[in-house]
Amino acid sequence: EPEVTQTPSHQVTQMGQEVILRCVPISNHLYFYWYRQILGQKVEFLVSFYNNEISEKSEIFDDQFSVERPDGSNFTLKIRSTKLEDSAMYFCASSDTGGANSPLHFGNGTRLTVT
Amino acid sequence: AQSVAQPEDQVNVAEGNPLTVKCTYSVSGNPYLFWYVQYPNRGLQFLLKYITGDNLVKGSYGFEAEFNKSQTSFHLKKPSALVSDSALYFCAVRAPRANAGKSTFGDGTTLTVKP
Repeated sequence: EPEVTQTPSHQVTQMGQEVILRCVPISNHLYFYWYRQILGQKVEFLVSFYNNEISEKSEIFDDQFSVERPDGSNFTLKIRSTKLEDSAMYFCASSDTGGANSPLHFGNGTRLTVT
Repeated sequence: AQSVAQPEDQVNVAEGNPLTVKCTYSVSGNPYLFWYVQYPNRGLQFLLKYITGDNLVKGSYGFEAEFNKSQTSFHLKKPSALVSDSALYFCAVRAPRANAGKSTFGDGTTLTVKP
């Protein structure tokens, strides 16, 4: 079964540094998302992306965050200047039609630790 | 605004007994409701969804969920629990719209099934 893949599985960075989290969504999917999960609990929406532009973003997704689909397969989340509170598990997800009735397919996440 | 409440942080059941994980929601219009399961160090996996029609929906691994519009609930159930069902369960809601907007997740319920 097709999977969403994320790299790296764990990223450690110093406060103020830039990080790029990478995702390869399922190949025929058209809608892409980033979520984050803090302390293994609450799953928070960051951003959705379709047709090379942001469809929706949350208040968490401020100017330090950006997303890009640089080619036909990768989908990246960039955090420009990391803060301690950015430490979390970041999940990429994709869906096929993108209709509200389509379930999300999640990757296994990147654990970001900011020191 | 849409929201989901999972009133129980933890549910404990004995193997072979029925299980229920509770979820209530708030959304404008008819809701699209989902259940996801998360195993340790993994992403969320889709279990089942309610879009329209029969209030009882069946999903993966023998799980089912009952939609109750008057009580704005979507409880997850399984007639006979397995130890392997032990995991973190998330209920999610989406408002119906042409393009996929964000899914809003509950805080999660940890299910522990004891032998």
